[in-house]
Amino acid sequence: KAGVTQTPRYLIKTRGQQVTLSCSPISGHRSVSWYQQTPGQGLQFLFEYFSETQRNKGNFPGRFSGRQFSNSRSEMNVSTLELGDSALYLCASSLELLGTGTPEAFFGQGTRLTVV
Amino acid sequence: LAKTTQPISMDSYEGQEVNITCSHNNIATNDYITWYQQFPSQGPRFIIQGYKTKVTNEVASLFIPADRKSSTLSLPRVSLSDTAVYYCLVGAYNAGNMLTFGGGTRLMVKP
Repeated sequence: KAGVTQTPRYLIKTRGQQVTLSCSPISGHRSVSWYQQTPGQGLQFLFEYFSETQRNKGNFPGRFSGRQFSNSRSEMNVSTLELGDSALYLCASSLELLGTGTPEAFFGQGTRLTVV
Repeated sequence: LAKTTQPISMDSYEGQEVNITCSHNNIATNDYITWYQQFPSQGPRFIIQGYKTKVTNEVASLFIPADRKSSTLSLPRVSLSDTAVYYCLVGAYNAGNMLTFGGGTRLMVKP
């Protein structure tokens, strides 16, 4: 079956702009979580969506937001981009909410965002 | 969340067995131990998960001693394609929690 698909793979934006990233989970998976990965901070959790509702949120400013649609596809939006937002953004899908015993989260290949 | 400690990096040669140990002294009774592998510019990939003793799948083995304060990921006969970062996660699946990755171990396999 198809894996987690993230689009676009690469993106270059200018400081101050906004960006929307997309994640299509594995068919049947209801949880989508988002992560930011930078060389300095490693992998950091942004938020998790389940049944169109945000269930968990990491320690990121309000410029980072997301949503999930009825087909479980999710989008992440970053407004007023800053240079420090340059990172690899990863999404992961799982059958159920993280923390309910599901052992495995499947990650997409990520979107490489560069803010100039 | 239980704090994990792994070596920052390891070197090995093709065909060797590689063992990566993770320390998690304050692991809770309900915590599982999970390992992920990540290649550059790709998302992490689940390798194996265990609770106690030994777990083996087609990719790796996971050894967990009785006190569960550490665990060892064993990769048999590594190849160049096993060069990656390996993350040990403990207690990542408590209710209302998220996946929290530590620094990981950068494994370099040489020819």
